[in-house]
Amino acid sequence: AQSVTQPDARVTVSEGASLQLRCKYSYFGTPYLFWYVQYPRQGLQLLLKYYPGDPVVQGVNGFEAEFSKSNSSFHLRKASVHWSDWAVYFCAVNQGGRALIFGTGTTVSVSP
Amino acid sequence: EAAVTQSPRNKVTVTGGNVTLSCRQTNSHNYMYWYRQDTGHGLRLIHYSYGAGNLQIGDVPDGYKATRTTQEDFFLLLELASPSQTSLYFCASSVDWGDEQYFGPGTRLTVL
Repeated sequence: AQSVTQPDARVTVSEGASLQLRCKYSYFGTPYLFWYVQYPRQGLQLLLKYYPGDPVVQGVNGFEAEFSKSNSSFHLRKASVHWSDWAVYFCAVNQGGRALIFGTGTTVSVSP
Repeated sequence: EAAVTQSPRNKVTVTGGNVTLSCRQTNSHNYMYWYRQDTGHGLRLIHYSYGAGNLQIGDVPDGYKATRTTQEDFFLLLELASPSQTSLYFCASSVDWGDEQYFGPGTRLTVL
């Protein structure tokens, strides 16, 4: 069965430092993959999406992600974190004709 | 810009009560979804639909009914609410199953 694992429930990073959020997926075939962000008291917003092609995907606000079929991963990165990046980040994979499966989310806290 | 609205934004009911959550999207998307969000579980799919009159069962459907009355409107019904259904509920829509989903702002439901 398809699944998504985000091993880090919470990450704290200093403002200006780099950020990497991990995502591992389980999917038979070639997946469509997504990263969403949830700011406090808001719904989810799309950061970026991967459809088969270039493994490095650029998103909004300086985020990018890299797809690795050999590692079954889709890690999210940002070179320099801003305080406004304080949010919950969700990785998701398509279920093949059904809907998305979401990971449990990683909360990013930004320290000054 | 995709627009998904939900009402009410907050709802408190008692055990055994009858609750209807409403969702409207104005982008002529074919697919609409209901999720619940709980700490430690991420987002879990309750029901989804790919058009007016259509309903598909999600991963956690027990205790929930849903109805898609029009292309725009998707309702989630809790006919005998229980405290275990206390959660944050999100509606989303997409053009097709593998596409980016647009989320509403959420409804916080408390069942006492």
